[in-house]
Amino acid sequence: TQLLEQSPQFLSIQEGENLTVYCNSSSVFSSLQWYRQEPGEGPVLLVTVVTGGEVKKLKRLTFQFGDARKDSSLHITAAQPGDTGLYLCAGSGYSTLTFGKGTMLLVSP
Amino acid sequence: KAGVTQTPRYLIKTRGQQVTLSCSPISGHRSVSWYQQTPGQGLQFLFEYFSETQRNKGNFPGRFSGRQFSNSRSEMNVSTLELGDSALYLCASSLGGDKNIQYFGAGTRLSVL
Repeated sequence: TQLLEQSPQFLSIQEGENLTVYCNSSSVFSSLQWYRQEPGEGPVLLVTVVTGGEVKKLKRLTFQFGDARKDSSLHITAAQPGDTGLYLCAGSGYSTLTFGKGTMLLVSP
Repeated sequence: KAGVTQTPRYLIKTRGQQVTLSCSPISGHRSVSWYQQTPGQGLQFLFEYFSETQRNKGNFPGRFSGRQFSNSRSEMNVSTLELGDSALYLCASSLGGDKNIQYFGAGTRLSVL
C-alpha cells in the first residue's frame, strides 16, 4: 500500500508569513498533485508535478517534486487569509490517486 | 463547461437504512472515482469506474457499491448504514489519462444517526 505522509497536520500563521508544507512517501509516483480544499467544497487542483526535481510556481505558491519522485513540498510566500484551507497532496498510480491526510492552514489577518 | 455535480449535498439517515448518491461528471470524462473523507482518515479511495466498468476498488466492505451508466453518470450505494459511515463523499471525474488529473464535485455530506 502506498502511503503519503503530510506535515505539519495543522498550521496557524499571521498574514504575511512564509510557510512550507511537506508530503513524503516511501513509494515512487509517476506524478504528484496538490489540491486545496475549502470548507464545504471538494478539493481543487493546484498543480501537477511529473519530473523528478521539477519546480513549479503559481503566483506566491512554489511546488517542488523530489529528485526520486517520492516527496514534494509546497512553499507559500507572504501568506494571505485567502490561502486558508486544507492542502492535500496526492500521488498518481494506475488510474487511482493516493491522498495524504492534508495540512490544515489557517492564515489570520 | 459545467463541473462535477453531486446530489444531494446533504443527507441524514439512520442506522440500518441504505442510501444512494449521484454524480454527474464533466462532459467527456469517462472515469469517475469515489472517495470517503473523514477527519480521522482523510480521503480514502472507494472505487473507480471507467466506461461502465469498475476498474479499481479500495478497501471498503461490500456494503459500499457503485455503478456507472452509459452517459458516464455514476451512483454509489451504501447499504445497512453504520454510524461510522458518516462522512463527506466526494466524486471526481477525469479523462483517465496517465496523469490522472481529477476534478472533484462539492461532495455529499452524509450523517448517520
